[in-house]
Amino acid sequence: GEDVEQSLFLSVREGDSSVINCTYTDSSSTYLYWYKQEPGAGLQLLTYIFSNMDMKQDQRLTVLLNKKDKHLSLRIADTQTGDSAIYFCAGPLGGYQKVTFGTGTKLQVIP
Amino acid sequence: DTGVSQNPRHKITKRGQNVTFRCDPISEHNRLYWYRQTLGQGPEFLTYFQNEAQLEKSRLLSDRFSAERPKGSFSTLEIQRTEQGDSAMYLCASSLEQYGYTFGSGTRLTVV
Repeated sequence: GEDVEQSLFLSVREGDSSVINCTYTDSSSTYLYWYKQEPGAGLQLLTYIFSNMDMKQDQRLTVLLNKKDKHLSLRIADTQTGDSAIYFCAGPLGGYQKVTFGTGTKLQVIP
Repeated sequence: DTGVSQNPRHKITKRGQNVTFRCDPISEHNRLYWYRQTLGQGPEFLTYFQNEAQLEKSRLLSDRFSAERPKGSFSTLEIQRTEQGDSAMYLCASSLEQYGYTFGSGTRLTVV
């Protein structure tokens, strides 16, 4: 079935760049999302990218999409302690209207 | 409009009891979704509504689960005869068409 996979954990030092990776199975997805979840909170939409784009930049966030390899990444420049959270890659897979989420990558920022 | 609102924030119930959660979406959003999230996992889709019509239900949604969205506004999710395996965070989201879900803070259910 349709799937979204992410590495479980990433640790970076404050001020460094973080790169969170995601692979997905369905190449027909028209758009893909990155969500952020802080402890005890709901999910916050960070950014999204349409499938006809290779890259999208939004302030400290850069999203790269490689459709051939079905690979999506989120780069956070100048990572801050407030960026510590779980980051989810998500998209409508299999032509369905609903969004399928990955298992999430926990980002730990070391001061 | 302050976003998607979910009530209650926390619910502790005894096994076998029925529980009902409420979600108030962003007013202009026509789509409403319910997801379930357990510890260490991403949200899993349960069901979604377009206006008042329930258009898709997951296999995860057993006969004990029912969701409604009367008049296409707020939605309720009811779980009958709760089991310990139902313990999870229940998340509601809304969107205008299929772009950019906005999530509520969730209802954490603990079945003891």
